[in-house]
Amino acid sequence: AQSVTQPDIHITVSEGASLELRCNYSYGATPYLFWYVQSPGQGLQLLLKYFSGDTLVQGNTGFEAEFKRSQSSFNLRKPSVHWSDAAEYFCAVGASNTGTASKLTFGTGTRLQVTL
Amino acid sequence: DAGITQSPRHKVTETGTPVTLRCHQTENHRYMYWYRQDPGHGLRLIHYSYGVKDTDKGEVSDGYSVSRSKTEDFLLTLESATSSQTSVYFCAISEGRGTGTDTQYFGPGTRLTVL
Repeated sequence: AQSVTQPDIHITVSEGASLELRCNYSYGATPYLFWYVQSPGQGLQLLLKYFSGDTLVQGNTGFEAEFKRSQSSFNLRKPSVHWSDAAEYFCAVGASNTGTASKLTFGTGTRLQVTL
Repeated sequence: DAGITQSPRHKVTETGTPVTLRCHQTENHRYMYWYRQDPGHGLRLIHYSYGVKDTDKGEVSDGYSVSRSKTEDFLLTLESATSSQTSVYFCAISEGRGTGTDTQYFGPGTRLTVL
């Protein structure tokens, strides 16, 4: 069975500072990895995903994530944080069972606070 | 945003009563999922469906049942609500490639309180 660890429950950064959110996964086969963001009172929105190929994936909001197989990690980064990035971030790993739906296993989330 | 609605958005009920939550999609996606979100646990899969009348259990299915009679609707029923089922419930959909590359899109959530 797969699992995801997000070791940081809460992170505070200043606006304009760089950000790195950590994600470690455990999965026996090729992992399919996702980052979702959740604003207060909202559902989850997909930030970016990694299936194969280039290990550095870019989102369309300035976020990027790097897959490192040797470290079983998929950390999320942003070079300069904006106050609107304050939200909760979830890392997830996808697995598949032949003939049935893919299943996502989520980490417990990291809440990002941005100070002005 | 994916066309996913959930109803009701908020509900307060009493222990022992049955509760049904509805997820409706306009994307014609094959797969639908129900998750619960609790502090310290992230999202956990309750049940999912891979087609009309085809459903399977997730990791926290005890006390829940589901039904899917139409592609667009996926119902989650708490047969006899308990306080431990107080949570935020999310529906998700995916196209259904049957692989881990299937991207899931989430609804806005239903906040359920069981007194």
